[in-house]
Formats: sequence, structure tokens, C-alpha cells
Amino acid sequence: AQRVTQPEKLLSVFKGAPVELKCNYSYSGSPELFWYVQYSRQRLQLLLRHISRESIKGFTADLNKGETSFHLKKPFAQEEDSAMYYCALNAGGTSYGKLTFGQGTILTVHP
Amino acid sequence: EAGVAQSPRYKIIEKRQSVAFWCNPISGHATLYWYQQILGQGPKLLIQFQNNGVVDDSQLPKDRFSAERLKGVDSTLKIQPAKLEDSAVYLCASSWGPKQFFGPGTRLTVL
Repeated sequence: AQRVTQPEKLLSVFKGAPVELKCNYSYSGSPELFWYVQYSRQRLQLLLRHISRESIKGFTADLNKGETSFHLKKPFAQEEDSAMYYCALNAGGTSYGKLTFGQGTILTVHP
Repeated sequence: EAGVAQSPRYKIIEKRQSVAFWCNPISGHATLYWYQQILGQGPKLLIQFQNNGVVDDSQLPKDRFSAERLKGVDSTLKIQPAKLEDSAVYLCASSWGPKQFFGPGTRLTVL
């Protein structure tokens, strides 16, 4: 069975500081990893996918299969980045579409 | 484009009562998901539909939960009878490809 772990429930940084939200996963196959974000009073929405290898709002995430990690990084945090962030895994195959979420990390960026 | 719609937004019931939630996905999205999000946890998939067929309901407590998606569009999720531990936010999501679009959720409180 797959599992996603986000070890930090809360993360606080100051504006302009680098930020890294940790995500580790457990899955024997080749997963697809996502980061979802929920801003205050808004819906849960996709931030980025590892397959796309893109940078969204200055965030990047690299899949490290050796360490089974998919950490989310941003070099200079902004106040508008304050939100709840979820790491999610899609096992693919017959489970395509089924997402397993981590418990989430609340990021607070202080002015 | 119109997003995923859910109703009601809030519901308070007493244990052993019944409750139903409604979801209208984004037009054209073949896949529909129901998630349960208990306070402090990430969303957990309850059931996944592809058009009007069930793809995955392995985590749906079938003794009390049921869901249907008639005509492959709208969906309803029912709990009968409700227990205290069913208190949670129930999220509906839809997708065409790998990106899932979430509704605002229904917050259920069971007293």
C-alpha cells in the first residue's frame, strides 16, 4: 500500500527566506507525485506535478526515487505563499486517479 | 469555467440520522471522486467514478455509506446512519486527465 508522510505540521519563515516543505512517500512502483495547495477560504488546487518538471509561483519540486522524497522548495518566500500544502501520490495503473494525500503542512510566511 | 459545485456547504445532524451530499462536476469531466477529510488529516478517497461506473470504492464504509452517479454527471453521497466519527469535510473532485479539480466541500458535524 502507498503512504505519504509530511513530517512538519507547521512551518514558519520570514518573507524573502528560502522555504522547503518535506514530503516522503512509500510505494514499490513508479508513482506520480503532486503538490496541492489550499489558500485561506479557497478550494484545494493543484500546484504542480513532478512529471511536468515546471516551476509554479516560484515553487519547484524534484522527485528523488533513491530517497523516496518529493520536497517542495522556493528560494524566496512571499506572504501570499501562506497556505496549507498537501503532497499526494498517484499509484497509477488500475489505481490511476486515486490520490493518497499526506497530512499537510501549514506554511506561514511572516512579513 | 464553472468549477465543481457542492451542496449543502454545512450540515449538522444527530448521530443515527441520515444525510446526503450532492456534487455537480465540471462539464465534460468523466471522472468524479468523493473524499473525506477529517480535521487535521489529508483528504482520503472514498469512491471514484468513471462516467457512471465505480472504479474504486475500497475505502468506502459500505455498511453506512453509499454513492451513486446517475447518467454520469451529478453524484450523491449518502450516510445512513451517521456516527460521531463521520464528522468531517466531504470533498468532491472531478477530472479529465491527471489534474483533479476540487469543490468547496461540505462540512458535516454529527452531534
